[in-house]
Amino acid sequence: AQSVTQPDIHITVSEGASLELRCNYSYGATPYLFWYVQSPGQGLQLLLKYFSGDTLVQGIKGFEAEFKRSQSSFNLRKPSVHWSDAAEYFCAVGEANNDMRFGAGTRLTVKP
Amino acid sequence: SAVISQKPSRDICQRGTSLTIQCQVDSQVTMMFWYRQQPGQSLTLIATANQGSEATYESGFVIDKFPISRPNLTFSTLTVSNMSPEDSSIYLCSVVGRGTGYEQYFGPGTRLTVT
Repeated sequence: AQSVTQPDIHITVSEGASLELRCNYSYGATPYLFWYVQSPGQGLQLLLKYFSGDTLVQGIKGFEAEFKRSQSSFNLRKPSVHWSDAAEYFCAVGEANNDMRFGAGTRLTVKP
Repeated sequence: SAVISQKPSRDICQRGTSLTIQCQVDSQVTMMFWYRQQPGQSLTLIATANQGSEATYESGFVIDKFPISRPNLTFSTLTVSNMSPEDSSIYLCSVVGRGTGYEQYFGPGTRLTVT
């Protein structure tokens, strides 16, 4: 069965610093991979997705993620974090039957 | 992407009562999903709701506790029955996007507190 691991429960970075959030997945074939962001009191917003093609995908709000099959990873990156990026980030893996599984989430705190 | 609304946005209910949550989509969709997000936790899929058929429940969730209706291609309801404080969660509905990649788009959620 597919599963997703986000090893970091909470990360703190300074505003303007770079960010990398880790995500590892377990799946037999090429998965559909997603990153979502949830701001306090809000629903989930799709940041980016990967299902085929170029392994480096660009998303909204300046985020990107790289699919590495050899490491079963799909890490999210941003070169310069803004205070408004403080939120909960969820990595998710899906299948063609539309079943989607979410990681536990990583809470991002941004220091001024 | 789809625009999804949920009602109510939040509610405080007494134990033993039931609450029905509505999910409205701005376009016709085949599959809708209901998730639960317990405080400080990730999302857990409750069930998949297809129009014209019975909802499919995930392990640990039963129809008697979480009955779902799907009367048409733009609307669904989830009822949380005989509530207990353990049901205090955010409940979210989602739909699959029309493009490739099977991404899901989420409603804003219903924050339920059971006292």
